[in-house]
Amino acid sequence: EAGVTQFPSHSVIEKGQTVTLRCDPISGHDNLYWYRRVMGKEIKFLLHFVKESKQDESGMPNNRFLAERTGGTYSTLKVQPAELEDSGVYFCASSHTGRYIEQFFGPGTRLTVL
Amino acid sequence: AQSVAQPEDQVNVAEGNPLTVKCTYSVSGNPYLFWYVQYPNRGLQFLLKYITGDNLVKGSYGFEAEFNKSQTSFHLKKPSALVSDSALYFCAVRDIDGTGANNLFFGTGTRLTVIP
Repeated sequence: EAGVTQFPSHSVIEKGQTVTLRCDPISGHDNLYWYRRVMGKEIKFLLHFVKESKQDESGMPNNRFLAERTGGTYSTLKVQPAELEDSGVYFCASSHTGRYIEQFFGPGTRLTVL
Repeated sequence: AQSVAQPEDQVNVAEGNPLTVKCTYSVSGNPYLFWYVQYPNRGLQFLLKYITGDNLVKGSYGFEAEFNKSQTSFHLKKPSALVSDSALYFCAVRDIDGTGANNLFFGTGTRLTVIP
């Protein structure tokens, strides 16, 4: 089966611009997660969808970040307007539902804000 | 609050020697522990997990990890390192019974370099 895919792999934008990241989870996975790793630091949770509903968005840094998952399939994460501190690698993961199920990660999108 | 510590940013080991990558964790409830590996220009790949039962867990590529409840540790080990094991390793914990029960809390990562 195909894994989690993310687009684009890299994005370089200027401060103040808008960027939209996309994640396609593994087919049939109801759970979709977004994480972020800022250079050299830990990977941090951003939010969790169950199908099209936001289950937990406690990790979203501020209201410049907007995540959607229309139809419960792919998800987008929009950053508007981007700031320098938003630079990092954004990972998407998906999983089936269950207490002991592992999450499968995509390759990540490296975002650089200049 | 949940947290994971990987005390070593970098671990160097000679090919053929045993390797250990350290991880300690803190959770309020029962831990559900993972190791992931990231190869250059690739995503995170699942290596192994501990839920309950035997404290020694075996995973992919010959890796294993030992859960130690009293020391709140979950160190990753391999008896004989390969050059191809060189990568970035992340330890993660999920607090099954706590808030944010579905989320993973990661350490900062340890870069393993296996020297030929």
